[in-house]
Amino acid sequence: DVKVTQSSRYLVKRTGEKVFLECVQDMDHENMFWYRQDPGLGLRLIYFSYDVKMKEKGDIPEGYSVSREKKERFSLILESASTNQTSMYLCASTNGGLGAYEQYFGPGTRLTVT
Amino acid sequence: AQSVTQPDIHITVSEGASLELRCNYSYGATPYLFWYVQSPGQGLQLLLKYFSGDTLVQGIKGFEAEFKRSQSSFNLRKPSVHWSDAAEYFCAVGDTGNQFYFGTGTSLTVIP
Repeated sequence: DVKVTQSSRYLVKRTGEKVFLECVQDMDHENMFWYRQDPGLGLRLIYFSYDVKMKEKGDIPEGYSVSREKKERFSLILESASTNQTSMYLCASTNGGLGAYEQYFGPGTRLTVT
Repeated sequence: AQSVTQPDIHITVSEGASLELRCNYSYGATPYLFWYVQSPGQGLQLLLKYFSGDTLVQGIKGFEAEFKRSQSSFNLRKPSVHWSDAAEYFCAVGDTGNQFYFGTGTSLTVIP
């Protein structure tokens, strides 16, 4: 059974803190993605990675960075958290490109920045 | 640029009633179309997808969707809704060029 896990379901951080969100998939997928989900805006792509150490900016990369040192793990980094980064963060993976393949999602991390 | 519109932010239906969730897209060629469902506190799960061929697509949990090129629509339907169908539903459009967009979602409430 395919599985994408995220390190935390809920996270509370202070403004200015460095925040790491971790995502692990056990499907040997090449491609991994980070989205943020906000009411009324749907899901917006932050970054994606199509191989180890490779990354591409999505639609809203500002204020975020990513790291992919191993195929199964994709980390989202908030260098200096701000209140406008309070959101639900979803990780996903596929065995193909972004546009044409089923994405498998983790349960999400609800981040609150105070 | 592609776009996906889900015109209904929230829909309420009675258990046992039929359901139709609307999705319109803007895209130059034939896109890849998806419907995902997000149950409370969960990630998204694929309900069904359309790539080519038969325009009526069957999915999991008794859902189906119909691709209508002339209307640029991909509406999701279910003949009889169950209380467990209460969730958020997302339509999405993509292509082989790594372009992919979600709609803003439709929240479904099911009343007994």
